[in-house]
Amino acid sequence: AQKVTQAQTEISVVEKEDVTLDCVYETRDTTYYLFWYKQPPSGELVFLIRRNSFDEQNEISGRYSWNFQKSTSSFNFTITASQVVDSAVYFCALSDGQNFVFGPGTRLSVLP
Amino acid sequence: KAGVTQTPRYLIKTRGQQVTLSCSPISGHRSVSWYQQTPGQGLQFLFEYFSETQRNKGNFPGRFSGRQFSNSRSEMNVSTLELGDSALYLCASSLEVDWVDEQFFGPGTRLTVL
Repeated sequence: AQKVTQAQTEISVVEKEDVTLDCVYETRDTTYYLFWYKQPPSGELVFLIRRNSFDEQNEISGRYSWNFQKSTSSFNFTITASQVVDSAVYFCALSDGQNFVFGPGTRLSVLP
Repeated sequence: KAGVTQTPRYLIKTRGQQVTLSCSPISGHRSVSWYQQTPGQGLQFLFEYFSETQRNKGNFPGRFSGRQFSNSRSEMNVSTLELGDSALYLCASSLEVDWVDEQFFGPGTRLTVL
C-alpha cells in the first residue's frame, strides 16, 4: 500500500526565514511519481512540482527547491526567504499510475 | 484559457438524498479526476476518467459513482447521502492519463449533508 507522511502539521516562521517541509513516502513500486501542491486560503490546489522515481535530480525554481532522496524515501520542499504570500497548506502526494495518495498536509504560516 | 470549472459551488442536502456534481475540464484535457477533502480524512482520491472510461477508482463505497461525457465533462453522483459525505469535492483535469502530467484543480464543490 502507498502512504505519504508529512510529520509537520503546522509551521510558523517569520518572513525572510528559510523553511523546509518534510515528506516521506512508502511504496513497493519502482515506477512512481511524487508531487507537491499548495492550497492557499482560497482553497484551490496549485501544482508546484512533479518528479518521477527515476529522476533524483534536485530542482530549484526561484525561491522553491526540492530534494528527492530515494535512499530515505523522502521528497522535501524548501522555501528560501519566505514571504507572507507563501502562507498556505502544502501537500505532498504520490502516484503509481493507479492510485493517487496525498499526505495530510503541512500548514505554513509566514508572519510579517 | 478557461480553468477547471465546477458546479454548483455550494450544496446543502439532507441524509438519504442523492446529489450530482459537475466538472468541466480545461479545453483539450481528456483526463478528469475527483477527490474528496474532509478535515478528518484529508484529501482522498475518488476516481479518474479518461476518454469516457473509468481508469482508476479509490477506496470508496458504491454509493459514489461517476461518468465522463464525449466532451470530457464529468459528473459524480453520491446516492443515499450520509452525514460523513459532507466535504469539499475537488475535480482536476490533465492532458494525459494516470497523472503523468500536471493536474489543474477546480475551486471545488462544498457539500453539506444535514
